[in-house]
This record gives sequence, structure tokens and C-alpha cells, in this order.
Amino acid sequence: RKEVEQDPGPFNVPEGATVAFNCTYSNSASQSFFWYRQDCRKEPKLLMSVYSSGNEDGRFTAQLNRASQYISLLIRDSKLSDSATYLCVVNRDDKIIFGKGTRLHILP
Amino acid sequence: NAGVMQNPRHLVRRRGQEARLRCSPMKGHSHVYWYRQLPEEGLKFMVYLQKENIIDESGMPKERFSAEFPKEGPSILRIQQVVRGDSAAYFCASSSALGTEAFFGQGTRLTVV
Repeated sequence: RKEVEQDPGPFNVPEGATVAFNCTYSNSASQSFFWYRQDCRKEPKLLMSVYSSGNEDGRFTAQLNRASQYISLLIRDSKLSDSATYLCVVNRDDKIIFGKGTRLHILP
Repeated sequence: NAGVMQNPRHLVRRRGQEARLRCSPMKGHSHVYWYRQLPEEGLKFMVYLQKENIIDESGMPKERFSAEFPKEGPSILRIQQVVRGDSAAYFCASSSALGTEAFFGQGTRLTVV
């Protein structure tokens, strides 16, 4: 089983819709969690950290479920500029592991 | 406050040559990670270093690849005797401590001809 798994997509979503991604991780010793965004041929950029209590940043909401070992990202009122690949990231003592990413296309 | 700096941005090497990729972490960051990304694929972990120490190199190919992070100067990823399959984007990230968010450089795109 891969350490971090994501649905690769693509998710094709009309502008203004709400879209959600999930990501599962296999190592219960994982300590911290993040969502990154990567645009084509660019470096990944931190979108937000993920906390057990859930956290929100504008249109973006992230949640962590330690019991079921998954994290989620919800995007409300999606914009064309949200089109990108979203990477789930899990951090342990010795390394940061990236999921392969979920591709999102927002359609006008 | 400069971010993570990688150079060169683009590197072309002939088969059999050596490639040296440099990464200067953000100021105050002592943890450096290297990743490789092939076209249309995800980021693959290669190595995690702290100053003068390799902490985890489980993602590094056993031959031709090496990495260092000296006491002074940038981290270096070195690929000896490059082959066409080494063509990829190589990203470096740094963080201030374990468990904290990592910030990426713009990457070095290596092309082996």
C-alpha cells in the first residue's frame, strides 16, 4: 500500500461549484499534514496546514481524521484560477511524503 | 528574505557528463529535502539532509547519485555519468524544523542529450 494515496482525477468542475478531495495515509505515526498546490511546470506551494480540529482559509477548508487516517480539502465557490494539481503531504520524523496529486480543472 | 534558491534553473548535459544541482535553503532553515519529478508524474522523495548529515537517503538511486549539505554553502545534488532517464525536474525544499511546512525552490530542469 502506498504511504500517501490520492485520486489522480482529473476533476472537471464548473466555476462556482464546490469540490472536495480526500487523501489517505498508511503510517499512523505521521505527525503533521499539509495541502500544497502545484501549477504546471512550477514548484509546489503551500496551500494550508491541516489540523485535527479542522481549519478554514477563505474558500478552503481542510480536515484531518486520525482514526480513519485521511485528510480532506474542500474548495467552495471555485474559481478558474483554482485549476491546478493539489498535493496531499504527510510529515514524519524522517521525511516529508507527497501524494501524487489530484488534478482539478475548473470549467468556465 | 529570499526564499529557497536553486540553480541553475535549466541544465543541459550530454550522456556521461556530471550534473551538479545547488540549493540554498531559506534563511534559518537547517532541513533540506530533494525531490525528483518526471513529466506528468508526482514528486518522488530522494534525500533528506541536515547540516553535514544525511538523515534519510532511501529515495536515492544507489549508484551515480550523491547529496551533501556542508556546514557552509548550499546543498548539492550530484549526478555522475548522466543518462537520458535522469532528465527530470529536481526540486529542493527546506524547513526550519521537523514537522513544519517546507518551502520549495523553483527547481532545476535537467535535460540529458
